[in-house]
Amino acid sequence: DAKTTQPPSMDCAEGRAANLPCNHSTISGNEYVYWYRQIHSQGPQYIIHGLKNNETNEMASLIITEDRKSSTLILPHATLRDTAVYYCIVRGDNYGQNFVFGPGTRLSVLP
Amino acid sequence: DAGVTQSPTHLIKTRGQQVTLRCSPKSGHDTVSWYQQALGQGPQFIFQYYEEEERQRGNFPDRFSGHQFPNYSSELNVNALLLGDSALYLCASSPGTGFYGYTFGSGTRLTVV
Repeated sequence: DAKTTQPPSMDCAEGRAANLPCNHSTISGNEYVYWYRQIHSQGPQYIIHGLKNNETNEMASLIITEDRKSSTLILPHATLRDTAVYYCIVRGDNYGQNFVFGPGTRLSVLP
Repeated sequence: DAGVTQSPTHLIKTRGQQVTLRCSPKSGHDTVSWYQQALGQGPQFIFQYYEEEERQRGNFPDRFSGHQFPNYSSELNVNALLLGDSALYLCASSPGTGFYGYTFGSGTRLTVV
């Protein structure tokens, strides 16, 4: 079972920041927070991951709370092409682990 | 650099038949994982292959089997197809444990009639 809780859907205006929340209150000390997204009819795409520090790459920023029980994925300037299902996953870094996908958050970016 | 390649893209089979789906991982990746995604749901883990062996398996019956070849490519076989096996089958590859995430293919859409 997925170890995360996400809202089923969110809307965001084009050009504005999209902030997608994720709760992972049972996360273990050696587990990382990963984010993927899936655009319609495509396979999931890796976005970003982190352990406890905030992370940023060319796609997004990941903010993890100090107690690590929740996180927020930030798309700074959402475009229509960011419309997708976003998945938050926690996973350790060793064999025997895989990515367990929940239902995710369906983000709709509106013009 | 080609990413993960899956074939065929679409497939229609009859109940009771057998099907083989193929996956070529991204260059440099040695681990292949397979997922099943039913309509409107998140991907569900089937199994993972590394060094030509099944390393872990999700909650899928023995009708689902796989293979990994020395060149790291992989096959997913499903026997005695059921209507409920209709889904998008996704292959993902990674170097090692996948610490930097998996690279997914676009999937094979299987329809069982």
